[in-house]
Amino acid sequence: QSALTQPASVSGSPGQSITISCTGTSSDVGGYNYVSWYQQHPGKAPKLMIYEVSNRPSGVSNRFSGSKSGNTASLTISGLQAEDEADYYCSSYTSSSTLEFGGGTKLTVL
Amino acid sequence: EVQLVQSGAEVKKPGESLKISCKGSGYSFTSYWIGWVRQMPGKGLEWMGIIYPGDSDTRYSPSFQGQVTISADKSISTAYLQWSSLKASDTAMYYCARRVNLVATIDYWGQGTLVTVSS
Repeated sequence: QSALTQPASVSGSPGQSITISCTGTSSDVGGYNYVSWYQQHPGKAPKLMIYEVSNRPSGVSNRFSGSKSGNTASLTISGLQAEDEADYYCSSYTSSSTLEFGGGTKLTVL
Repeated sequence: EVQLVQSGAEVKKPGESLKISCKGSGYSFTSYWIGWVRQMPGKGLEWMGIIYPGDSDTRYSPSFQGQVTISADKSISTAYLQWSSLKASDTAMYYCARRVNLVATIDYWGQGTLVTVSS
């Protein structure tokens, strides 16, 4: 059982927007602005998409955005494309000085 | 270009020992932390622990403390994850990952090493 809670699956049609939530506690997501999001395609290593809640690394599409409210962080993907179909994981620094991951969300592009 | 290149897939029997590696290049290996992440078949990511090759400071996730050993050889820019006695439940993909510091995100990942433990 992961410490951070994500929906198991979300879906959307091409061109639509979807949001994936990541719920923790005041000891992780709510206590620090060190939430990240990773994209993982089948058989591939994860790829960093968002760091420190809302920052995009160089080369990541601006269709990906992140936010946080209280103990819940969110990843929004706008203008869905077929290539966005993947698993998405959130992570957060914790008060125990370690890193925690969410359970992962499978995004299906209909 | 930053790269983390991991050793190849392994097939082992229960009770055997194993050490897998992760070689960093394209950056100052001693200035970044290297962590390890487990992904069991069909499951999510789990943080195992991390090492700072500059001084070998090592931190383990409570779930993995005592189960694995993380080490590094800065002379050859390589980090290691090892088991003294493998179990079938250790079957998983293992990724190494780079972090700037203990609060920072994982910015680069290795390609993964598949470990299969079966009698």
